[in-house]
Amino acid sequence: SQQGEEDPQALSIQEGENATMNCSYKTSINNLQWYRQNSGRGLVHLILIRSNEREKHSGRLRVTLDTSKKSSSLLITASRAADTASYFCATVLTGANNLFFGTGTRLTVIP
Amino acid sequence: DVKVTQSSRYLVKRTGEKVFLECVQDMDHENMFWYRQDPGLGLRLIYFSYDVKMKEKGDIPEGYSVSREKKERFSLILESASTNQTSMYLCASSSGQPNEKLFFGSGTQLSVL
Repeated sequence: SQQGEEDPQALSIQEGENATMNCSYKTSINNLQWYRQNSGRGLVHLILIRSNEREKHSGRLRVTLDTSKKSSSLLITASRAADTASYFCATVLTGANNLFFGTGTRLTVIP
Repeated sequence: DVKVTQSSRYLVKRTGEKVFLECVQDMDHENMFWYRQDPGLGLRLIYFSYDVKMKEKGDIPEGYSVSREKKERFSLILESASTNQTSMYLCASSSGQPNEKLFFGSGTQLSVL
């Protein structure tokens, strides 16, 4: 079974709006990461949040982590057409080394 | 910037062929990974390597092997390609903690006919 599950599977918003994507996981983690993938290309690392952190910011990105609910959210503020991509969360389980990826949220930003 | 280069963007092979997918990174990273990506299944780890001549099985190693003779190069080998190996293959590398901040190549879309 997959460790990380993103929600929603697809999201369509107008340029300038905020986009929020969620990730839920099942067991204790060491860290959680978010990646972006433009259509048919490789993934690009966006941000990493450790299990003892609750919130991190990077430019227009804000990530939160709630270990009690085993969930994380990625907020993209003031979205742009160039933000159109798939977004994946990936978790590293406590005591393990492998990264487990979810199936992604497909974000479309309409100009 | 770190560059991870995969030798082919698209490949079409026949069932039963031996297939080599090459990956080269230019930042002296110790850790390298091969994933496959399928619709609805996300990314799944095939093999990884934390050092030259070292390899470890991931979640779905069956039907695949790997080679890491040099630090910068990690090859994925399909010994006898089958149609269920049609997929997008992604190579990645990282430094330090193996599973923090992976750098990905652009991917190879492999079709096995």
